Amino acid sequence: AQKVTQAQTEISVVEKEDVTLDCVYETRDTTYYLFWYKQPPSGELVFLIRRNSFDEQNEISGRYSWNFQKSTSSFNFTITASQVVDSAVYFCALSEAGYSSASKIIFGSGTRLSIRP
Amino acid sequence: DAGVIQSPRHEVTEMGQEVTLRCKPISGHNSLFWYRQTMMRGLELLIYFNNNVPIDDSGMPEDRFSAKMPNASFSTLKIQPSEPRDSAVYFCASSLARDRGRLANEKLFFGSGTQLSVL
Repeated sequence: AQKVTQAQTEISVVEKEDVTLDCVYETRDTTYYLFWYKQPPSGELVFLIRRNSFDEQNEISGRYSWNFQKSTSSFNFTITASQVVDSAVYFCALSEAGYSSASKIIFGSGTRLSIRP
Repeated sequence: DAGVIQSPRHEVTEMGQEVTLRCKPISGHNSLFWYRQTMMRGLELLIYFNNNVPIDDSGMPEDRFSAKMPNASFSTLKIQPSEPRDSAVYFCASSLARDRGRLANEKLFFGSGTQLSVL
C-alpha cells in the first residue's frame, strides 16, 4: 500500500530564511512517481514538480530545490531565501505505476508554511 | 487557456437536501478526478474517470455520493441526501493521461474548488 507522511504540520520562518519541507513515502512498487503541489490562500492546488523513481538527480528551479533519496524514501523540498509569497500549504504526493491495475495519486497531509516579514 | 472550471464556488444547503457539484476539465484532458479536502482527513480521492469511464470509486464515502461523466467536457458529483459531515472543499482535477497505464505520472490540474457547507 502507498503512503505519504509529512510530519511537519506547520512551519513559520522569517523572510529570507531557508526552509526545508520533509516528505517520506512508502511503496512496494519499483516504479513510482513523486510530486509536490502548492496550495496558496486562494485555494487552488498548483503543480510544482514530478520525479520518477529511476531519477534520483536533485533538481533546482530558482529558489526551489528538491532532494530525492531512495535510500531513505524521502523527497524533501527546500526554499532558499524565502519570501512572503511562499506562504502556502505544500503537499507531497505519490503514485505507483500499477501495471496490473490503474494507479492513483495520493497526497500527504500537507505542511502549512508561513513566512513572516 | 481556461483551466479546470468548477461551480458553484460556494454552496450552503440544509441537511437532507440534494447537492450537485459541477466540473469542466481542461479541453483535451482524458482523465478527471474528484477530491475532498477537510481539516481532519486532508485530501481524499473520491473517484476518477479515464475517457469518461469510472476507474476507481473506492473513495466514495457511501451510497449518498454519486458521480457521472456524460462526456469529455463535463462531470458532476452529487450528494443526496446531504449531511453536515459532508461539509468540505471539493476539488475537481484533470490530467492528460490517455489511458489507465499513464495515470500515475501525469500531473494534475486543479480547479478552484467548491466550498460546501451543510447546515
